[in-house]
Amino acid sequence: GAVVSQHPSWVICKSGTSVKIECRSLDFQATTMFWYRQFPKQSLMLMATSNEGSKATYEQGVEKDKFLINHASLTLSTLTVTSAHPEDSSFYICSARDEGKNFDEQYFGPGTRLTVT
Amino acid sequence: AQTVTQSQPEMSVQEAETVTLSCTYDTSESDYYLFWYKQPPSRQMILVIRQEAYKQQNATENRFSVNFQKAAKSFSLKISDSQLGDAAMYFCAYVDRGSTLGRLYFGRGTQLTVWP
Repeated sequence: GAVVSQHPSWVICKSGTSVKIECRSLDFQATTMFWYRQFPKQSLMLMATSNEGSKATYEQGVEKDKFLINHASLTLSTLTVTSAHPEDSSFYICSARDEGKNFDEQYFGPGTRLTVT
Repeated sequence: AQTVTQSQPEMSVQEAETVTLSCTYDTSESDYYLFWYKQPPSRQMILVIRQEAYKQQNATENRFSVNFQKAAKSFSLKISDSQLGDAAMYFCAYVDRGSTLGRLYFGRGTQLTVWP
């Protein structure tokens, strides 16, 4: 089956620093990837839609300059949290569409837990 | 805008019993997909079952089945013979088949507890 990986699975960083999270589709190509944020016991909140070779589409209220998204290849999208603050601590999940299958096939990464101290 | 509503924040069931999780949605589209995802404590999202709106037959996957009522915009999940491993957060989700990007819309989730 299609697999999406995320790296790192967890990260602790100091306030003011930046951290990059990678999302990879391991055995399929993904023109479109999605980045979500999830707080404990809450639903997934879509942050942005990442498109290979073009700028990401951000949801209303998401700071573009703080959450930088780069989708440089058909198998890799990255989310960089710049100048991180404790309120950015959260669980970040990516998903990817398998363009080779039905458009509705979307696969999720295992998530990245970010803690900002 | 599409919305997905799960009115049960928490549900519980005895092992081997049956439980039904509710989901309603709102859309003006006629062609779409509906999903139930499971998120166990590991937080990995797992697809449980999928329903295509143009199919009248309710989807079934082993112990999991849905009751899809298109006119009522209702999409409930029935878990039969519940097992301890079914304990998780369950999310109902919708995607418009005509959407270029295929964005998923999620409900708030239902936390399912399974008692031994």
